[in-house]
Order: sequence, then structure tokens, then C-alpha cells
Amino acid sequence: GENVEQHPSTLSVQEGDSAVIKCTYSDSASNYFPWYKQELGKRPQLIIDIRSNVGEKKDQRIAVTLNKTAKHFSLHITETQPEDSAVYFCAASRRNYGQNFVFGPGTRLSVLP
Amino acid sequence: GAVVSQHPSRVICKSGTSVKIECRSLDFQATTMFWYRQFPKKSLMLMATSNEGSKATYEQGVEKDKFLINHASLTLSTLTVTSAHPEDSSFYICSARDGQGTHEQYFGPGTRLTVT
Repeated sequence: GENVEQHPSTLSVQEGDSAVIKCTYSDSASNYFPWYKQELGKRPQLIIDIRSNVGEKKDQRIAVTLNKTAKHFSLHITETQPEDSAVYFCAASRRNYGQNFVFGPGTRLSVLP
Repeated sequence: GAVVSQHPSRVICKSGTSVKIECRSLDFQATTMFWYRQFPKKSLMLMATSNEGSKATYEQGVEKDKFLINHASLTLSTLTVTSAHPEDSSFYICSARDGQGTHEQYFGPGTRLTVT
């Protein structure tokens, strides 16, 4: 089955700096990769996703890159703000209806003012 | 966007009792719902996949007789923790997939279960 690894487990950056979180997956058949942000005690919220037919996707300060050959994908947050502090989870899935997501262990991001 | 509710948000029960958690998709039909368990500072661990009108598919290591899942309608799935023990204390989160075929999962707010 699919196995998703995520690094680093914790990340502290100064406000305004960039943050990068990396994930690897094992199942070459996976073709959908969402990123979720979870604030303390709250539900995970989708912040960006990427499908295997593209290598990069950007939405304002957030971007995701995908390297299918190497089976890894990364989340990039630029100009970080204190409200970006949260736990971020990557996930991998096959794009068939009903397929579940396999989540990475999470990265706790702290943006220091 | 799509909204998923979960009830109750918090529950405290005594050892040996059963607890039911409801997950509802409020503005869309969800033929598939997922139940996750999340330990403090840990990731989301899939417990089971719930398909409307059929039996749930449980992940390895999850006892189906202890965690009863029912998905009787396109907007409601329930998770019943039977004969709860303190080690069942956790944060349980459901998610639902839109029946129109979009790939995104929409998460409920979670239920914090404490078994005393």
C-alpha cells in the first residue's frame, strides 16, 4: 500500500521568510496530492492540491511542486505570517472515486514575529 | 464550499458504555465518508471507509465489532464506539467526498472522546 513520509516534523521560521515542507510517496499509481492545514483543535482545511499531470501549482503565497519520477512533492509558503502557524499534512491518493487519502505525519510550522 | 458537521464535538463517557458520533454532509450528497482517528500531535489515521448502502471497509488493525459504522443515507454516517475503554480516548474526525466526483475530501470539526 501507499506510504507517505513528510519532513521536517517541526519548522520554525521568522515572519516574512519562506517555508518548505517535503513529502515522499511510495505508490507510483498515486496521482492526486492535497495539502491540508490544521489549526489546534480544528478540522483540516485543504489549502492546495496538485494532480500528477502538472509539475507545479501556485495560489498566491502558496505553491506546490511535484516530481513524479522521484515520487516527491513539496509545499512552499512565501512571505510567511503568524497566521500561517499550524500543522500541515500532505496526502497521496489514486484519483479514483472512493479512494482514501494516505496522510503524512504532519509538520508543525511556527512563524515567529 | 461544502460543509460537514459532526456531533457531538465533545463527549465524556464511562468505561463500558457505548458512544455514537454522527457525521453529516450539509449541502451535498456523500456516497463515501471516511473515519479517522487522531492522537495528540499525530497524523490522521484512517479507520474505515464508509459507503452508502453497503458495509464499511475497515483498515488493518481496526476492530469492526468495536467501531460500528453505519452509512444509511447520502448525508449521514455514524460511528459507534462500543464498550469504550480509556485507550479509546482520542479525537475522531470524519470526512466526506462529494458524490459529483470531485476528489476533495471535506472534513468535519471532529469529536473529542474521553473515556473515564
